[in-house]
Amino acid sequence: GIQVEQSPPDLILQEGANSTLRCNFSDSVNNLQWFHQNPWGQLINLFYIPSGTKQNGRLSATTVATERYSLLYISSSQTTDSGVYFCAVERAGGSQGNLIFGKGTKLSVKP
Amino acid sequence: DGGITQSPKYLFRKEGQNVTLSCEQNLNHDAMYWYRQDPGQGLRLIYYSQIVNDFQKGDIAEGYSVSREKKESFPLTVTSAQKNPTAFYLCASSPGEKQFFGPGTRLTVL
Repeated sequence: GIQVEQSPPDLILQEGANSTLRCNFSDSVNNLQWFHQNPWGQLINLFYIPSGTKQNGRLSATTVATERYSLLYISSSQTTDSGVYFCAVERAGGSQGNLIFGKGTKLSVKP
Repeated sequence: DGGITQSPKYLFRKEGQNVTLSCEQNLNHDAMYWYRQDPGQGLRLIYYSQIVNDFQKGDIAEGYSVSREKKESFPLTVTSAQKNPTAFYLCASSPGEKQFFGPGTRLTVL
């Protein structure tokens, strides 16, 4: 099956710093989403981005489908950005909505 | 108040007992999903349903069962056949492409 690898596994930042999280995937995808899981376990959908670039406030994401990777940018990080960021993909030709998740990047933002 | 609700938040059961986790949504989404998350890991798909009265197995369906009798509801039963049921269970729904998650249920089997 398709493999999803996220890097780095852990990241510690000072408040105000910028960061880039990476998601590599091993096959063509129909669907790619980024999620943030807060310390209480709630997952929030950040982006649906199978290709191209999107921005939402301090967050932006870029997916280069031909090279099988996606990047999530966090600018001017805040302590509330702490948590785990997951990338999830749906393989092209696979069942709709059958997302495969990476293991996540755990982000800690220090005040 | 629109959203996805899961109950209970914490659940404790004795080994060998079946337990049913609730998931309800009032977003009018057709598709619903159940995932399992183990500590330090990503989510793995248990079952999903694209439409009422139809559902498909995900990657780790063994030891679980579901029903989809109403659009709003997608309960998950963890049976005694599940070898390692202690985990965090997350329900999601989707109108098409993006998935939206409930707050989760932490199940501990003693």
